[in-house]
Amino acid sequence: QKEVEQNSGPLSVPEGAIASLNCTYSDRGSQSFFWYRQYSGKSPELIMSIYSNGDKEDGRFTAQLNTASQYVSLLIRDSQPSDSATYLCAVEPKSSGDKLTFGTGTRLAVRP
Amino acid sequence: DTGVSQNPRHKITKRGQNVTFRCDPISEHNRLYWYRQTLGQGPEFLTYFQNEAQLEKSRLLSDRFSAERPKGSFSTLEIQRTEQGDSAMYLCASSISGEAFFGQGTRLTVV
Repeated sequence: QKEVEQNSGPLSVPEGAIASLNCTYSDRGSQSFFWYRQYSGKSPELIMSIYSNGDKEDGRFTAQLNTASQYVSLLIRDSQPSDSATYLCAVEPKSSGDKLTFGTGTRLAVRP
Repeated sequence: DTGVSQNPRHKITKRGQNVTFRCDPISEHNRLYWYRQTLGQGPEFLTYFQNEAQLEKSRLLSDRFSAERPKGSFSTLEIQRTEQGDSAMYLCASSISGEAFFGQGTRLTVV
């Protein structure tokens, strides 16, 4: 079982819609969770971090963490074409010495 | 610019040659990571440092790869006897409290 799993997509949503990106992780002891955005040919850019159960909002982005079900999600409200990118979920699993471990990413396409 | 800096941005090398990449982290960050990324994949962990100590090296990494972080500042990643399969984007990231920030990456092409 992979430590961090994401659906590779692509996820296609119309402009103005809510995009929902999901991630599951295998190490129940993980305590730190991150979402990165990566445009084609560029390096990952940190957009959200979450450390406790519940929701965390920052502008159009909301991160949701459910440690009981071992998933973390990212909601993007009022999606814009400029949001089209690959979104990477990253976790610091306790079993792996807290090193930051990434999923394969979900490609999001926002249709004008 | 106070972000993570990587050099060179691009490197083309012939198979069998050695290459070295440099990463300058954000100055107060004590943790430094190296990752490798190929098309359509997420960043693959290579190794990481806490200050000058190398805490872990991926079991998948061959002995041709070595990394250093003298004095806990900048880091270098060396690949000896490069192979075509080493062609990838090599990413460096630094962090101090969990949140890691990436440099622009070094794109390696082995011909």
